[in-house]
Amino acid sequence: EPEVTQTPSHQVTQMGQEVILRCVPISNHLYFYWYRQILGQKVEFLVSFYNNEISEKSEIFDDQFSVERPDGSNFTLKIRSTKLEDSAMYFCASSPGTGTNNQPQHFGDGTRLSIL
Amino acid sequence: AQKVTQAQTEISVVEKEDVTLDCVYETRDTTYYLFWYKQPPSGELVFLIRRNSFDEQNEISGRYSWNFQKSTSSFNFTITASQVVDSAVYFCALTHRQGAQKLVFGQGTRLTINP
Repeated sequence: EPEVTQTPSHQVTQMGQEVILRCVPISNHLYFYWYRQILGQKVEFLVSFYNNEISEKSEIFDDQFSVERPDGSNFTLKIRSTKLEDSAMYFCASSPGTGTNNQPQHFGDGTRLSIL
Repeated sequence: AQKVTQAQTEISVVEKEDVTLDCVYETRDTTYYLFWYKQPPSGELVFLIRRNSFDEQNEISGRYSWNFQKSTSSFNFTITASQVVDSAVYFCALTHRQGAQKLVFGQGTRLTINP
């Protein structure tokens, strides 16, 4: 069964450094998402992406964050200058299409980001 | 605004017991979808079920069953004859419209099944 893949599985970065988290969504999916989960807390929506542009973003997704689909397969989340509070598990997800066929969202295994 | 409440933070039962995880949601939309995801200790999110707002039929899949009641805005999840492998955090989630829907998650319920 096709799956969403995320790399790396664990990223350790110094505070203030830039980090790029990578995702390969399921190939025929059209919608892409990033979520984050601070340790022990609930999963929170960051951003959704469709047709090469952001369709919705949360308050968490401030100017330090950006997303990009640089080619036909990858979907990246960049954090420009990391802060300690960015430490979390970041999940990428994708979903197939429009209307009632646009669910469920399939999640990758996540990237654990640790900011030192 | 959309909101999902999972009032049970942690549940611990002995293997083979039945257990029900509660989920209550709030939304102003007439069309919405409800979900359950499982997060085992390894950390990934595993999709379990989707239910749309027009389908109130209960669903059974093996030892898992779901009870959707619009009258009480609840979407509860029951595991029958629980097993140690069911130990995980379970999240209930809601989306509120078509298109690029964001998932709104509850706080999760940590379920521990003891042998």
